[in-house]
Amino acid sequence: DAMVIQNPRYQVTQFGKPVTLSCSQTLNHNVMYWYQQKSSQAPKLLFHYYDKDFNNEADTPDNFQSRRPNTSFCFLDIRSPGLGDAAMYLCATSREIGSRRGEQFFGPGTRLTVL
Amino acid sequence: AQKVTQAQTEISVVEKEDVTLDCVYETRDTTYYLFWYKQPPSGELVFLIRRNSFDEQNEISGRYSWNFQKSTSSFNFTITASQVVDSAVYFCALSNNNNAGNMLTFGGGTRLMVKP
Repeated sequence: DAMVIQNPRYQVTQFGKPVTLSCSQTLNHNVMYWYQQKSSQAPKLLFHYYDKDFNNEADTPDNFQSRRPNTSFCFLDIRSPGLGDAAMYLCATSREIGSRRGEQFFGPGTRLTVL
Repeated sequence: AQKVTQAQTEISVVEKEDVTLDCVYETRDTTYYLFWYKQPPSGELVFLIRRNSFDEQNEISGRYSWNFQKSTSSFNFTITASQVVDSAVYFCALSNNNNAGNMLTFGGGTRLMVKP
């Protein structure tokens, strides 16, 4: 089945120690997104790629970076995680279909714990 | 600016009861898309429905139904004969037609608890 895969599902890191979360998709979608979701809150968009074009949200901290080496993979790098970065990180994809706007397909998320 | 409001933060019902989740949105765009997503305890956001702003027909899918009313800027979601497996957080979201991606503006979510 075509899907969005996130590894690992649970990640523990230490305060200040860089961490990378990964996302892959078999849907061949143009657009990939990274969201941060804290407890009892809605997902918050960090950035997205439209093909190779990177689009950062204005309020995304510099501590968060992303890479998309090819259509299938997208990475979220947190350079120096703080306690406030503990959250669920959701990856999503979408395909633009002419003038229609397709829905976003989400992965299962990676829950990040910062010690 | 776009905004989605889900006034109900938590709803608790007993199995087999009907329940309606409210969603009110604000946008200046004439063309936009509305969505509902379900987030079970496992964490994955599951797509339920997309509705575009030109289609005000209500939709029914099994026990789920959606009522879209542009006059009141609402897109409410009803679950008929609720089941324990319906327990989840439900998000309403809005997307406009003005960008290359599909930027979603989420509401705050409604946590639905269905008790046996």
